[in-house]
Amino acid sequence: AQRVTQPEKLLSVFKGAPVELKCNYSYSGSPELFWYVQYSRQRLQLLLRHISRESIKGFTADLNKGETSFHLKKPFAQEEDSAMYYCALNAGGTSYGKLTFGQGTILTVHP
Amino acid sequence: DGGITQSPKYLFRKEGQNVTLSCEQNLNHDAMYWYRQDPGQGLRLIYYSQIVNDFQKGDIAEGYSVSREKKESFPLTVTSAQKNPTAFYLCASKRDILENTEAFFGQGTRLTVV
Repeated sequence: AQRVTQPEKLLSVFKGAPVELKCNYSYSGSPELFWYVQYSRQRLQLLLRHISRESIKGFTADLNKGETSFHLKKPFAQEEDSAMYYCALNAGGTSYGKLTFGQGTILTVHP
Repeated sequence: DGGITQSPKYLFRKEGQNVTLSCEQNLNHDAMYWYRQDPGQGLRLIYYSQIVNDFQKGDIAEGYSVSREKKESFPLTVTSAQKNPTAFYLCASKRDILENTEAFFGQGTRLTVV
C-alpha cells in the first residue's frame, strides 16, 4: 500500500529565507508525485508534478528514489507563499489511479 | 463556467440520519474522488471512481457509500454507521485515472452532526 508522509505540520520562516517542505513516500512501484497548495479561502490546486521537472512560483521539487523523498524547495520565501501544502502520490498496479495525500504542512512566511 | 461544484457548503445532520453530499463536474472528467479533511490528518481518501458505474474503496470507506450513475456526478452518502462524521469533505476530479493529470477540487462541504 502506498503512503505519503509530511513530517512537519507547521513551518515558519521569514521573508527571503530558504524554505524546504519535506515529503517522504512508500510505494513499491514507480511513483508519480505531486505538490498541491491551498491558499486561504481558495481551492486546493496543483503546484507542480515531478514528471514536469518544472519551477512554479520559484518552487522546485526533486524526486529522490533512493531516499524515497520529494521535498519542495524555494530559495527565497515570500509572504504570499503562506498556505497549506500537500504532497500527493498517484498509484498504479492493483491500486491504479488511487491518489493519496500526505497530512499537509502549513507554511507561514513572516515579514 | 467549467468546474467542479459541491453542495451544500454547510450541512447539519442529526445523529442516526444518513446524509448525501453532492459533487458535480462539467469538465468531462472520467475520474472522481472523495476525501475527508481533518485537522492534523490531511486528506484521507474515502472512495474513488475511474469511470461511470465503477468505483473503489479508499482508505476510510467504512460508513460511507457512493454511486456513479452519470459521468458528471459522484454523490457521497454519509451513513449512520460512520462513527465520527463531523468533518470537511472534498470532492475532486481528473481528466482520467492515468498518471500525471491534474486533479481539480471543489470548494468542499462542512458536515456537522448535532
